[in-house]
Amino acid sequence: GQQVMQIPQYQHVQEGEDFTTYCNSSTTLSNIQWYKQRPGGHPVFLIQLVKSGEVKKQKRLTFQFGEAKKNSSLHITATQTTDVGTYFCAGQKAGTASKLTFGTGTRLQVTL
Amino acid sequence: DTAVSQTPKYLVTQMGNDKSIKCEQNLGHDTMYWYKQDSKKFLKIMFSYNNKELIINETVPNRFSPKSPDKAHLNLHINSLELGDSAVYFCASLGETQYFGPGTRLTVL
Repeated sequence: GQQVMQIPQYQHVQEGEDFTTYCNSSTTLSNIQWYKQRPGGHPVFLIQLVKSGEVKKQKRLTFQFGEAKKNSSLHITATQTTDVGTYFCAGQKAGTASKLTFGTGTRLQVTL
Repeated sequence: DTAVSQTPKYLVTQMGNDKSIKCEQNLGHDTMYWYKQDSKKFLKIMFSYNNKELIINETVPNRFSPKSPDKAHLNLHINSLELGDSAVYFCASLGETQYFGPGTRLTVL
């Protein structure tokens, strides 16, 4: 079946440092979504990427979708303590309109 | 108003018991889901319903039975609970993206 892996599993940074999480799918995706889950909370949608090579920015967050539509990345510039949480990518395969396969997640810890 | 709500928030029970978790969404969406998140934070889809019809049924033990009385509600009944069922169960509904409920933390003793 479809697998979506993320690396690293965990990263601890000091506030102000940058952070990147990488997402790799075993199959080609029609789109990829990113979610953030705060400790004790539920996943919250951040963004969706659809086009090959697409890059989108949300303030300090930059999202990329690979040319082959099998990988993606999320980069956070100058992390803040409010960025703490687990970041999930979630891939949708062509022909599976309502099914998302979530990545393994990257837990980000930010300290002062 | 909460868009996707779940009850209960916490559920502690003994092995072998039967329990239910309820989910309601007021977003007018047709498609709803149940996910299981284990202690390692892996999020796995269990079921999906579209307008009361089952459309996704992943490899889940048949002790788990979803029920959708109408498109705003999707409940999950679990028979003969086992230790390995301990997890956080999230309900979600599908609009332009997936909207998750707050989760139900199930602990089986």
